[in-house]
Amino acid sequence: GENVEQHPSTLSVQEGDSAVIKCTYSDSASNYFPWYKQELGKGPQLIIDIRSNVGEKKDQRIAVTLNKTAKHFSLHITETQPEDSAVYFCAASWSGNQFYFGTGTSLTVIP
Amino acid sequence: DTGVSQDPRHKITKRGQNVTFRCDPISEHNRLYWYRQTLGQGPEFLTYFQNEAQLEKSRLLSDRFSAERPKGSFSTLEIQRTEQGDSAMYLCASSWDTGGGSPLHFGNGTRLTVT
Repeated sequence: GENVEQHPSTLSVQEGDSAVIKCTYSDSASNYFPWYKQELGKGPQLIIDIRSNVGEKKDQRIAVTLNKTAKHFSLHITETQPEDSAVYFCAASWSGNQFYFGTGTSLTVIP
Repeated sequence: DTGVSQDPRHKITKRGQNVTFRCDPISEHNRLYWYRQTLGQGPEFLTYFQNEAQLEKSRLLSDRFSAERPKGSFSTLEIQRTEQGDSAMYLCASSWDTGGGSPLHFGNGTRLTVT
């Protein structure tokens, strides 16, 4: 089955700086890669996703890049704000069947 | 609010008891997923349905776990003879997916504590 690894497990940045979270996957058949943000006591919420036919996608301060050859994808958050503090999960899926999640990155934005 | 709702939010039970959780997905969604999440870990796949058909079940899921989605609407997850290792957050998610991959919409979960 698919194996998704995520780094780092914790990340602290100063407000206004950028944050980068990286994930690798093992199954070359995976073709859909969403990122989720989870706040305490809540379920994960989608923040951005990318499909395997696209190399990069951006939505305001958030961007995701995908390197299919190397089987890795990354989340970039620019101009971080305190409300960006949360746990972030990457995931990989083949056509929306099982979604395999990384172990999470706890991001702290220091005001 | 038309998001995914889960009931109950919290459940405390004694070891050996049976528990049942309910999930109401977003109404037009055809796929429904159950995940389990323990502290400091990502969600772990348990099973998923397309309409009323259970399409896949994790090999890690013991036979004490069963899920149903009658009529392709709400779903229930039952755990029989609970063990302390079953303590976790149980998350339900739904999506509208015709095979290309679509984002999961998660509920806020049911936190199970087995004493």
